[in-house]
Amino acid sequence: AQTVTQSQPEMSVQEAETVTLSCTYDTSESDYYLFWYKQPPSRQMILVIRQEAYKQQNATENRFSVNFQKAAKSFSLKISDSQLGDAAMYFCAYRSALDAGNMLTFGGGTRLMVKP
Amino acid sequence: DVKVTQSSRYLVKRTGEKVFLECVQDMDHENMFWYRQDPGLGLRLIYFSYDVKMKEKGDIPEGYSVSREKKERFSLILESASTNQTSMYLCASRPFFTGIEGNQPQHFGDGTRLSIL
Repeated sequence: AQTVTQSQPEMSVQEAETVTLSCTYDTSESDYYLFWYKQPPSRQMILVIRQEAYKQQNATENRFSVNFQKAAKSFSLKISDSQLGDAAMYFCAYRSALDAGNMLTFGGGTRLMVKP
Repeated sequence: DVKVTQSSRYLVKRTGEKVFLECVQDMDHENMFWYRQDPGLGLRLIYFSYDVKMKEKGDIPEGYSVSREKKERFSLILESASTNQTSMYLCASRPFFTGIEGNQPQHFGDGTRLSIL
């Protein structure tokens, strides 16, 4: 079974600064997908960014980018120019490409605080 | 935009009661999921369904059951609620895409915070 680990329960960053959230995972598969989800205090979980394991290029979405290290099984999220609205719980998630049920395995989450 | 609606944001029930949590999605998605979210544990999958009347156990199905009579609706049932089922419950849906569309994300509802007294 796959596991996803987020080693930082809480992080804080100064507004306009850059922060990196870490995520590691354990799998024996070679084809899979990785996701970062954000859950603001209003609680609806929304997708931030996704990465296909077969792609070597790191995904980027505006101020959000990932550092995907397949051999190290690491998938960190970098938030540049942090904004107050980035304050939220962030979850890293894994999905096997072989899984017809499309199940996600989540990490424990990192609470990000943004200081004005 | 995909809309996943959970019937209650807050719910308080008593030990031993039968509890129903309802979830409706409006995008004709085949896959639907129920998770519970607890601090430090992230989201853990309770049950999922890939089609009407189809269901599969997730990682923590004990004490729960589900019902999917219609494609748009997926219900989570606590047969006899216990205090250790106090938690946040999240419903999600996703189209059944594989292959190059396999990176499609799940879409989540707002969550139901359930307290069992």
